[in-house]
Amino acid sequence: GAVVSQHPSWVICKSGTSVKIECRSLDFQATTMFWYRQFPKQSLMLMATSNEGSKATYEQGVEKDKFLINHASLTLSTLTVTSAHPEDSSFYICSALTGYNSPLHFGNGTRLTVT
Amino acid sequence: DAKTTQPPSMDCAEGRAANLPCNHSTISGNEYVYWYRQIHSQGPQYIIHGLKNNETNEMASLIITEDRKSSTLILPHATLRDTAVYYCIVSRVGSGNTGKLIFGQGTTLQVKP
Repeated sequence: GAVVSQHPSWVICKSGTSVKIECRSLDFQATTMFWYRQFPKQSLMLMATSNEGSKATYEQGVEKDKFLINHASLTLSTLTVTSAHPEDSSFYICSALTGYNSPLHFGNGTRLTVT
Repeated sequence: DAKTTQPPSMDCAEGRAANLPCNHSTISGNEYVYWYRQIHSQGPQYIIHGLKNNETNEMASLIITEDRKSSTLILPHATLRDTAVYYCIVSRVGSGNTGKLIFGQGTTLQVKP
């Protein structure tokens, strides 16, 4: 089946630094990927839609200058959390469309802890 | 995308069928019903989806009512590993549309020995 891989699976960084999370589609090309964030005991919240070769579309309330998304190829999208603060600590999950009429498949998430 | 309503939690005995209900009374004609589950600290796992016909795969069965206003996910023989949060989502993803999935609160299914 379709595989979406995220790296790293967990990361700890100091406040004020930036962190990059990678999302790869391993056996298919993904023109569209989605980034979600999940706080403890809450559901997934969609942050942005990442389109290959164009600017990402951010959901209302998500700061585009803080959460930089780059979708430079058909198999890779990256999310960079800039100037991270403790309140950015969360579980970040990406997903990708596997085909025109196919469901989304999700990566295994990245646990970010900002100290 | 239409909103869904699910019970917050359910229990099921191991080996028995787990029937998870979902209401989606405002679903529109081109929206699919999707089911995902999330085991603790992992990304959501796709289970099954359907438009109007009942669907079955190796994981589960999806029963959609004729008016499409509700559906039931059936895990035929639940195991302890099926303990997870189950999300029912209505979306145009799959209609030749790159639409997004909006997650609700889901149903926490606890499978007990």
